[in-house]
Amino acid sequence: QVQLVQSGAEVKKPGASVKVSCKASGYTFTGYGLSWVRQAPGQGPEWMGWISDQNDNTNYAQKFQGRVTLTTDTSTSTAYMELRSLRADDTAVYYCARMDYYDTSGKGDVFDIWGQGTMVTVSS
Amino acid sequence: DIQMTQSPSTLSASVGDRVIITCRASQDISSWLAWYQQKPGKAPKLLIYKASTLESGVPSRFTGSGSETEFTLTISSLQSDDFATYYCHQYRSYPWTFGQGTKVEIK
Repeated sequence: QVQLVQSGAEVKKPGASVKVSCKASGYTFTGYGLSWVRQAPGQGPEWMGWISDQNDNTNYAQKFQGRVTLTTDTSTSTAYMELRSLRADDTAVYYCARMDYYDTSGKGDVFDIWGQGTMVTVSS
Repeated sequence: DIQMTQSPSTLSASVGDRVIITCRASQDISSWLAWYQQKPGKAPKLLIYKASTLESGVPSRFTGSGSETEFTLTISSLQSDDFATYYCHQYRSYPWTFGQGTKVEIK
């Protein structure tokens, strides 16, 4: 079935970096984009940025510009999100989510398939 | 940034009730609005996109309406599986933003 499977939970110290992976299966990876969305405990989701399937186009939320890098590896149908200079308020569940980058479905830029989430805890 | 404000924050209802959740955008987003359902410990699930189009597989008791700055999600007859938190999401302009959520709990 169509799914996104993310890497496991991470615990990091302030100032460190984290890299989360998101492996797609059940659909053609090169046909969709991927967004990354995070959700702090008890808060609403927060969009971080998206990347096209061919790794040739990205868009980052201004809040994360310079601190986040999104990449893809089409050979393994895997996307990655790296967040640097971690702070305590980066503690959150990080999700990857599929988006219809080419709008073939007519849905627009919504997130129709989500990964299971990766808990990232930043603590000294 | 476009701010999305949901009301109420929490809603207590019984099975069979009609439930209405409101989402207001701080500026005109046309119909570029989606609704998601999230259960504890799970990822959000897409319910509605383009303000009123039901995602495939979503029960017809869910209805979305509205445009520009005012939107509603209606559950016509609440089922036990519908107790969850609901989020609106605008994708009209960057950065895409979400509402703070409406928790639907058992009365």
